[in-house]
Amino acid sequence: DAKTTQPPSMDCAEGRAANLPCNHSTISGNEYVYWYRQIHSQGPQYIIHGLKNNETNEMASLIITEDRKSSTLILPHATLRDTAVYYCIVRVAFAGNNRKLIWGLGTSLAVNP
Amino acid sequence: KAGVTQTPRYLIKTRGQQVTLSCSPISGHRSVSWYQQTPGQGLQFLFEYFSETQRNKGNFPGRFSGRQFSNSRSEMNVSTLELGDSALYLCASSAESEGYNYGYTFGSGTRLTVV
Repeated sequence: DAKTTQPPSMDCAEGRAANLPCNHSTISGNEYVYWYRQIHSQGPQYIIHGLKNNETNEMASLIITEDRKSSTLILPHATLRDTAVYYCIVRVAFAGNNRKLIWGLGTSLAVNP
Repeated sequence: KAGVTQTPRYLIKTRGQQVTLSCSPISGHRSVSWYQQTPGQGLQFLFEYFSETQRNKGNFPGRFSGRQFSNSRSEMNVSTLELGDSALYLCASSAESEGYNYGYTFGSGTRLTVV
């Protein structure tokens, strides 16, 4: 099963871009990369996902390298409310129609004023 | 539309007891997954249900079980509770079409404390 590796913690100044890296070197061709975040004591919140092209939505941008072995989540203008644990997850497809997400320990992002 | 609803929000049980947690998915979502989250282990996958069938299971002992009803609501049960079962239990639902998953929406979780 594909696993992800993220730095345990990062800091970012308010108003600056936050770039969160993720390594998923064993990802296979039909597996998606998902990003979620979790603010203390709440359920994880979906941010963005992608297969091989870069993606952008109202929350963030996702940059996936050409070999798909790593990706970066970009929060263009971080605010204090973006302080959370960010999870990079690879969607694993099992036989038949089975699915599950493999979760790492995530990156704890602290946005500082 | 309403999000994923988990009840109860908080629960305190004693060792040896059993507990049932409930999850109501987003309307129209037929896939429901359960996770256990503890500070040291992160999110650990418990099981996933789709159309009343368990289609995937994580590495948890048989004391952990679940089911899904025809309206897609799901319950999980933990029997013979142990102190180590204290955790945040999260439920996530998703819509799927022809094998494409449209992303998971999580509930706020049930905080279980075993004393």
